[in-house]
Amino acid sequence: DAGITQSPRYKITETGRQVTLMCHQTWSHSYMFWYRQDLGHGLRLIYYSAAADITDKGEVPDGYVVSRSKTENFPLTLESATRSQTSVYFCASSDGGEMADTQYFGPGTRLTVL
Amino acid sequence: AQSVSQHNHHVILSEAASLELGCNYSYGGTVNLFWYVQYPGQHLQLLLKYFSGDPLVKGIKGFEAEFIKSKFSFNLRKPSVQWSDTAEYFCAVNEGQGGKLIFGQGTELSVKP
Repeated sequence: DAGITQSPRYKITETGRQVTLMCHQTWSHSYMFWYRQDLGHGLRLIYYSAAADITDKGEVPDGYVVSRSKTENFPLTLESATRSQTSVYFCASSDGGEMADTQYFGPGTRLTVL
Repeated sequence: AQSVSQHNHHVILSEAASLELGCNYSYGGTVNLFWYVQYPGQHLQLLLKYFSGDPLVKGIKGFEAEFIKSKFSFNLRKPSVQWSDTAEYFCAVNEGQGGKLIFGQGTELSVKP
């Protein structure tokens, strides 16, 4: 029962580089989400997806790109990393439905941008 | 825009003390409410959730929360904390349909043995 996995778990990169964080879930959940966790801000939604090929912006989408060609995968790309994007990134999934359902979180990716 | 406020940023308790963590939200319509916990070095896990019905919700590990609609609150309680409850606790509220959650800033709980 793999659940939801993220890779890499830790990443150090330099300003201006492109970085892709991977998220994979085995439950066939329709909804997937990307959050960033920063001290004093809790979790903030970056992007989410209601189904394959359907994505939408969250609270803090600038500087990020997502895609969802398959239900189980939801990669997050930082097109040109900046120091302000140093954070812990969590992917989550849920069954969705008419009202919000329980979200299940991955282990997180700690990203440092130098 | 909807917001979620957790009043306590850091709470320090001794084992066996009672716990109450505050959570208030701003949305005036029908809401679904959640408490998540993040143990040190781990991912977020669901503690409990409220969708409808009995406003007193019981979750895992002896936690409970009470939804008070008139106060826009969903406070988390535990009568007797243990050292293993040391973690960060997040309150979250859904924003309409589609499963989007708005999280509070989190409350760090430290329990001294």
